[in-house]
Amino acid sequence: ELKVEQNPLFLSMQEGKNYTIYCNYSTTSDRLYWYRQDPGKSLESLFVLLSNGAVKQEGRLMASLDTKARLSTLHITAAVHDLSATYFCAFRNAGNMLTFGGGTRLMVKP
Amino acid sequence: NAGVTQTPKFRILKIGQSMTLQCTQDMNHNYMYWYRQDPGMGLKLIYYSVGAGITDKGEVPNGYNVSRSTTEDFPLRLELAAPSQTSVYFCASAEGGANNSPLHFGNGTRLTVT
Repeated sequence: ELKVEQNPLFLSMQEGKNYTIYCNYSTTSDRLYWYRQDPGKSLESLFVLLSNGAVKQEGRLMASLDTKARLSTLHITAAVHDLSATYFCAFRNAGNMLTFGGGTRLMVKP
Repeated sequence: NAGVTQTPKFRILKIGQSMTLQCTQDMNHNYMYWYRQDPGMGLKLIYYSVGAGITDKGEVPNGYNVSRSTTEDFPLRLELAAPSQTSVYFCASAEGGANNSPLHFGNGTRLTVT
């Protein structure tokens, strides 16, 4: 059974600061997804990472995947208020089930 | 392009009632999923389907049933509603197979069982 753990669960940070969200998973997988969810809204796809060492960047967000360490990270650079949301990582197993982490609620304060 | 459409948006049920949550997609995706999200939590997979006529259980299937008679539609049935089924339900679709495209989510159905 694939288990996915995110930390921290809650992150409050000041605008302009940098921080990293960590996503650990329990079994072999090389298909990793990051999603964003605004309060009361649906999930929006941010990144798809498909191989060891994959790195993708969009604006102030950068995601990476280390399949040997079974770890993905989402790095936030110079945070702004608009990035406040809940971020989920998810892994897709061979049976095409997508298992989600518990989410990291990010609050960026002015 | 509508994407994934879920109805209703909100519903209140009494214990023991039944209902069907509707989900339809217009992207010709083979893979469809039902997730539930409890307050402040992540998503848990209820059922999924890799094509018309094929369904499989996820992590938390008890109390739910699904069918997939067409590529477009994937309804979720609650037969005897219980307070533990109070949640937000999300339907999603994906191209699936060797294509590792992300899931596309609907806007959710907020269900309260009292």
